[in-house]
Amino acid sequence: SQTIHQWPATLVQPVGSPLSLECTVEGTSNPNLYWYRQAAGRGLQLLFYSVGIGQISSEVPQNLSASRPQDRQFILSSKKLLLSDSGFYLCAWKTGKTQYFGPGTRLLVL
Amino acid sequence: GESVGLHLPTLSVQEGDNSIINCAYSNSASDYFIWYKQESGKGPQFIIDIRSNMDKRQGQRVTVLLNKTVKHLSLQIAATQPGDSAVYFCAERSGGGADGLTFGKGTHLIIQP
Repeated sequence: SQTIHQWPATLVQPVGSPLSLECTVEGTSNPNLYWYRQAAGRGLQLLFYSVGIGQISSEVPQNLSASRPQDRQFILSSKKLLLSDSGFYLCAWKTGKTQYFGPGTRLLVL
Repeated sequence: GESVGLHLPTLSVQEGDNSIINCAYSNSASDYFIWYKQESGKGPQFIIDIRSNMDKRQGQRVTVLLNKTVKHLSLQIAATQPGDSAVYFCAERSGGGADGLTFGKGTHLIIQP
């Protein structure tokens, strides 16, 4: 069966520091992968998606970037974090029309 | 603004009662809808989906109803249990890059003992 992993689970970072969040998927090949951010009390905002290695599409302009160095690995990065980058970051993969989510990473920027 | 929204941010029901969570969408071209359940501190969990060519779909203790005329989606949970306490999101697939989904803000379902 397919599983999706995210780490770290929780992260506290100072403003201006770099960021790297990792997502990996097992049990599937060439999945569509997604990064979402969920701010407190709000819905999910799509940040990036990828249909294959090295293929990244950005949905909103922001302080973040994404990369897909391997088929089942999706990385979310930032060179300098802002306070507004705090939130719950979710990775998802798609099969058919349905997206399945990872456990999430809670990021607090201080 | 968002094309998918919820009528109520919080819904409180008695344990054992049925719950109905509502969702309105604005894109008549949306062809697929999903309900997710998100417990505190966890990622959303798929509950049930429905295609636009259907009006109703049933799962285990859950039923999704789709009214395309008024662009309304609902999730019915039968005999709610304490474990049903969570935030419930509806999502619609309206096309766009890589079949992205648009999510509502969610309804927090609280189960009273």
